[in-house]
Amino acid sequence: EIVLTQSPATLSLSPGERATLSCRASQSVGTSLAWYQQKPGQAPRLLIYDASNRATGIPARFSGSGSGTDFTLTISGLEPEDFALYYCQQRTNWPLTFGGGTKVEIK
Amino acid sequence: EVQLLESGGGLVQPGGSLRLSCAASGFTFNSHAMTWVRQGPGKGLEWVSSINLVGGATYYADSVQGRFIISRDNSKNTLYLQMNSLRADDTAVYYCAKGAGNEAFDIWGQGTMITVSS
Repeated sequence: EIVLTQSPATLSLSPGERATLSCRASQSVGTSLAWYQQKPGQAPRLLIYDASNRATGIPARFSGSGSGTDFTLTISGLEPEDFALYYCQQRTNWPLTFGGGTKVEIK
Repeated sequence: EVQLLESGGGLVQPGGSLRLSCAASGFTFNSHAMTWVRQGPGKGLEWVSSINLVGGATYYADSVQGRFIISRDNSKNTLYLQMNSLRADDTAVYYCAKGAGNEAFDIWGQGTMITVSS
């Protein structure tokens, strides 16, 4: 099973600041990695697929990078609606796995 | 509008069974693999099961293997999850999602809550 480790667990930032979230895989997943945003009481929403492609309707301030085992989600200039939980997920091998999540909270 | 709508959740006793349904609309259902993901109270996302386009290939998390059965009816644009021998640690919100090993989960349902308790 591919284990995805997200860091930090919590990121405390102010609106307008840049957020950098990390996801590390226990073995290579190529670029088959996605990022999701989840707000309380809501279903997750796809932000980034295949490591660096923004999903439909996702603002340009969200960007993804990386390949192999190390991936980054960057939010360049946090908006109030961006404070939420973020998960990475790999689809290279079964079982499909999610990271433990990073909470981006208002400082 | 592209949409997934789950139903079938509720309270069930340990050892009991329940079947979830997920009705799809707004996209070509039979062209996409489908998946169930769950989230326990206060916990992260956990992949549960996926099924390919025609239902010929199914995949399960170890935690549900042998107890849950995923299926689909492409004539009804509906995904199912038959859950048997339910345990307290199956308590979670269950989401259906479009996608699986070949694509990210780009569409999610609103989720349905399963509570396993006596």
